[in-house]
Amino acid sequence: EDQVTQSPEALRLQEGESSSLNCSYTVSGLRGLFWYRQDPGKGPEFLFTLYSAGEEKEKERLKATLTKKESFLHITAPKPEDSATYLCAVQASPNAGNMLTFGGGTRLMVKP
Amino acid sequence: DAGVTQSPTHLIKTRGQHVTLRCSPISGHKSVSWYQQVLGQGPQFIFQYYEKEERGRGNFPDRFSARQFPNYSSELNVNALLLGDSALYLCASSLAGTGRAETQYFGPGTRLLVL
Repeated sequence: EDQVTQSPEALRLQEGESSSLNCSYTVSGLRGLFWYRQDPGKGPEFLFTLYSAGEEKEKERLKATLTKKESFLHITAPKPEDSATYLCAVQASPNAGNMLTFGGGTRLMVKP
Repeated sequence: DAGVTQSPTHLIKTRGQHVTLRCSPISGHKSVSWYQQVLGQGPQFIFQYYEKEERGRGNFPDRFSARQFPNYSSELNVNALLLGDSALYLCASSLAGTGRAETQYFGPGTRLLVL
């Protein structure tokens, strides 16, 4: 059974204080790993897709990396508007269609 | 371009009732997936439909059913509602739903409260 574990569950940062969020996964065969951002009461917003170990992607203050067992979302000099829940999900094979298996998320709060 | 749309935005039902949730995918997307998100947890996969056929089913009871229409929109039906069905129901669309892992784009969700 595919499993995704995110840590920490919650993270409080001061504005400008860089940090990393962790996503550990156990899958039978990884097809892709996805990062989403979710604001309270809203649907997840797509950030990145990573397909193979060693791959990195960047967008503004965010950088996602992937190894064979985990992924990191690095946040550089965060701002209060980066406060949200960050979700990690994997799509694996064999697989039920295009099912995504999500972790529990990391709730990030950035204080000014 | 419009993103994934869902209706209604909020819904209150009582135990034992049934509910129908609706989803319209991004234009050009042929695959629709449904997820349930309980407060404080990550979304859980319920169904995937592609070209009107069920392509995947998560670990949910038979009270949950879905279908996809020729215009690729979709409905999720839940019968005999239980208190534990209270959640945010998310719809996600993707281009084809097969082959290399495709990005799924989520709608705003329908918040269901069962009393």
